[in-house]
Formats: sequence, structure tokens, C-alpha cells
Amino acid sequence: DGGITQSPKYLFRKEGQNVTLSCEQNLNHDAMYWYRQDPGQGLRLIYYSQIVNDFQKGDIAEGYSVSREKKESFPLTVTSAQKNPTAFYLCASSILAGGQETQYFGPGTRLLVL
Amino acid sequence: GNSVTQMEGPVTLSEEAFLTINCTYTATGYPSLFWYVQYPGEGLQLLLKATKADDKGSNKGFEATYRKETTSFHLEKGSVQVSDSAVYFCAYTDSGGYQKVTFGTGTKLQVIP
Repeated sequence: DGGITQSPKYLFRKEGQNVTLSCEQNLNHDAMYWYRQDPGQGLRLIYYSQIVNDFQKGDIAEGYSVSREKKESFPLTVTSAQKNPTAFYLCASSILAGGQETQYFGPGTRLLVL
Repeated sequence: GNSVTQMEGPVTLSEEAFLTINCTYTATGYPSLFWYVQYPGEGLQLLLKATKADDKGSNKGFEATYRKETTSFHLEKGSVQVSDSAVYFCAYTDSGGYQKVTFGTGTKLQVIP
């Protein structure tokens, strides 16, 4: 089955701890994205990557870091500098067809602070 | 700047009622338009899309028509079911390669039996 997987489904963070959220896709998509969703709100872009070994900050990158060493993988680290990390994190990947992009999403990871 | 405006929810309908969720956008050029659906505790699923003016996207009984003259992409369904209860997001992206996707704030739909 082709798709986007995120793990874990739930993640707990202690004060001062860095945690890493996994995102893997086997769709052969070039671009990958991380969004944050807070209760009752829309999506905010954290980081994105259009090609391996390259990534750009989104609208709310402070307190987060990413890497893109492989096309299939785009892990997100929530650092201790992120003071309000409790949220639902969504990973997406996208494909270009006819010059138009379509994004597809993973099932999400819910991060909770202990 | 570019933006997407959706009607505020929650929207509560009885089963088999007609659904309209309004979406308007401000953008330059020729954007692609999307509707995503999010069921409780899950990620977003692409519901339908349209890539040029007058295109109609459709899926699972839902439809939306790309109206460039009114910059709108309203979501409609003729007869909703309880299983359609979810949050619906309107979104667009500019044409021409990888572009940032702009999402609306989402509209929660609750369908009661």
C-alpha cells in the first residue's frame, strides 16, 4: 500500500526534553511538509522540503528542527525551546502534475506535555 | 496577501438535508482549489479538487465548482449522512511548481439522525 505514515500516534514530552516525530512516505513524492494544528483551528506550516538535503522554514519554525536525508523521510524534532508544544502534528507530501501541486496527508501525531 | 475564507461552523444538519459550505479566496494568477475532510483524531483526506476555472470537482456525493468570477469554491452535497460529520477545510495553491498551500480555518459539520 502506498501512503504516508506517521509515528507514534501519541507522544508524551517531559519538560526540557527533545522529541522526534517520524514521517515516512512511499509515494515517491519530492516535497514534504510539517503542519501544526491546535484545537478548533486550521493548519500552520512549520517546515517544508522540496528536495533531499534542503528545507525551508514555514510560518512557525521556532522551536522545531527537521532533516531530509532521504526522499522518503522527513522527521520533525520538537525541541525544548518550543514552549507550547501540545498540538496535533500533520505531515504531508505532494506531487506535481501539469504544473499543479496536490498535497496528501498522514494520519497525524498528537503530542502531549507531561 | 492571499487568503481563504470559509463559513464559520459548527454547521448542524439533519440526515438527508442539503449541505453548502461557502469558501472564497483571494489570490493572483490561476490557483488550484481543494476541499479536505478531517474525521475526529485523523489526518486530512483530500476530498476533491479543481485546477482551472469552471472545473467541477466531485467525490462521494460532494461537489464544488471553481468560480473565478466570484473567486469561490463552495462545497455542496445533496443529502448528507451521519458519517459525513467531520471538519471540512478549503485550500488553494498557486500554479507553477511547488507553492505554499493556504488553508481555511475549517468548518465543522455535525449531522444528526
